[in-house]
Formats: sequence, structure tokens, C-alpha cells
Amino acid sequence: EPEVTQTPSHQVTQMGQEVILRCVPISNHLYFYWYRQILGQKVEFLVSFYNNEISEKSEIFDDQFSVERPDGSNFTLKIRSTKLEDSAMYFCASSSTSGATGELFFGEGSRLTVL
Amino acid sequence: GQQLNQSPQSMFIQEGEDVSMNCTSSSIFNTWLWYKQDPGEGPVLLIALYKAGELTSNGRLTAQFGITRKDSFLNISASIPSDVGIYFCAGLGNFGNEKLTFGTGTRLTIIP
Repeated sequence: EPEVTQTPSHQVTQMGQEVILRCVPISNHLYFYWYRQILGQKVEFLVSFYNNEISEKSEIFDDQFSVERPDGSNFTLKIRSTKLEDSAMYFCASSSTSGATGELFFGEGSRLTVL
Repeated sequence: GQQLNQSPQSMFIQEGEDVSMNCTSSSIFNTWLWYKQDPGEGPVLLIALYKAGELTSNGRLTAQFGITRKDSFLNISASIPSDVGIYFCAGLGNFGNEKLTFGTGTRLTIIP
């Protein structure tokens, strides 16, 4: 069964360092998302991406964050200068139809620990 | 911002029991969904509801979209060990809005 894959599964970084989290969405999907989940809390929307541009972003997704689809398969989330509060599980998701259906396929997540 | 509150926060049940959990919001959502998250994994979609009043089943799972569009419930019948996990409701607002708002979660534990 096709799935969303994410790397790395866990990254530990020093505060102020740049981090890139990578995702390979399901191959025929056109809509891509990043969500995050701080330990023990609910899942929060960060950004949606379609047709090579951001379609929606949350207030969490400030200037320190950026997304890119550098080729036909990868979808990346970059955090320019990490802060302690960026420590969380980051989930990539994709959808074959507009996200307005809510039917997203999530990856297993990348755990980011900022020291 | 929009908030989805789930209750109960956690449940401890015996295998074979039925489970009921619900989700309420102070604002209207046009689509309600229920996701399940196993430890160390991402959320997996269980059921999607698109019309107020809609009642939908998926195997042992049944969910309803409240008439007011401000609530939803999820029932699981005859629970089994693999039902253990965290159940999240999620809502979508206006048409074309792509931001899923997740609830606070209900953690289900099955006592052997």
C-alpha cells in the first residue's frame, strides 16, 4: 500500500541550527501538508502546499519556516534557526484531492529535539 | 482560534466492551473526521463525515456529524486489543479551507 515516508525519524540539533525535514508523499498526490505535535498535545496545522506554492499557513509558520518541493518526489520543511520550542514531532501528509475533504495520509513523523 | 474539545480525555476498558467518545466545538465545522494515532506513528483516517446529521459506519466504528455542526461522536463496538491508541476528532471549516483543526484527543487503553 502506498505510504508517505519521512526522514529522518529523529533529529537532535542545537538551538540556532538549521534543520531540514524530508518527506516523500504518495506518488499521485497533489496536495502536501506539514503538521506538528508537541509531546502529549494535539496535532497542529503548519502549512499546505499545492501547485508549487503555499496555499495556506498557520500563525505557527513564521519566517523561520519554509517549504519546498525541489523535485518531483520530495517535499521538505526547513527551520532556519531552531528554537527550544520547535521540539516536536513533525508530520508530513498528502492528499489526492483538495485538502478540503480532510482525507489526509500522514507519514510516521520526524521527531525534532532542540537542545 | 477554533478549538475542538474531546471527552473523555482517557478511557480504560475491558476487551469486548463498547466505547463512546465525543467532540465538541464552539464554532461550526463543515466536515468532521476521526483519526487514530498509534504510538510513534502518524494519524490514520478512520471515518469522514460531510453532512450535518450524517451517521457513518466503518466496520465496528460508527460516527455521527451533529445536526448543529458543532459536535460529533465516535462509537467502537466490541473493542479488541488493537483499538488501543489515541483518537482525534478533526474539523474543516469553510469550503476550500485546507486547515484541519484537531481535537485534544481521547486515549483508549484496554485492560487485559
